[in-house]
Amino acid sequence: DSGVTQTPKHLITATGQRVTLRCSPRSGDLSVYWYQQSLDQGLQFLIQYYNGEERAKGNILERFSAQQFPDLHSELNLSSLELGDSALYFCASSVPAGHTGELFFGEGSRLTVL
Amino acid sequence: GENVEQHPSTLSVQEGDSAVIKCTYSDSASNYFPWYKQELGKRPQLIIDIRSNVGEKKDQRIAVTLNKTAKHFSLHITETQPEDSAVYFCAASKSGGYNKLIFGAGTRLAVHP
Repeated sequence: DSGVTQTPKHLITATGQRVTLRCSPRSGDLSVYWYQQSLDQGLQFLIQYYNGEERAKGNILERFSAQQFPDLHSELNLSSLELGDSALYFCASSVPAGHTGELFFGEGSRLTVL
Repeated sequence: GENVEQHPSTLSVQEGDSAVIKCTYSDSASNYFPWYKQELGKRPQLIIDIRSNVGEKKDQRIAVTLNKTAKHFSLHITETQPEDSAVYFCAASKSGGYNKLIFGAGTRLAVHP
């Protein structure tokens, strides 16, 4: 158990719909990262938050948005869903710099768009 | 932009053989290079990492080497076992903790008994 909690674990929805994925980082971790992993693909960086502020952005679609709340949990919002958005979405958290830099991944949220 | 290339995409070895996975990175400012292992249906987990002030690091059967001049780093697994079968990802970032990790495309390692 990494200490990172993601909900829901599985989600099936239809094209055009909107979903919200939730992530609770490890206790004490200020950074939250979101990654997308499509079938048999690598880990595509979407976005990073640090202590409530957006820190870095990857190839995140305009239909996707995220935020980190004062209690440090984060939500990834996916709207106008397309078939190609079906993927495993991972959240990861890390301690601040000065430590190992290791990312601790949650178990992922598997999104299926039909 | 930042990019990490990883080879090979698949690797099949016999139990007891060695396995080597290679990565190159594009951003010369990168200074932190972790390797993650992802078993089928599971989350990625860190297995070893190396920082730019070190050329080699070992942990039991696993070793990582770094060539900053060539912007190249490699994972070496010796005496492979069936439980080593997984997808391995290399990654690079400019520093630990604050900066995003850019991952390679992954190598699917199969160790046959």
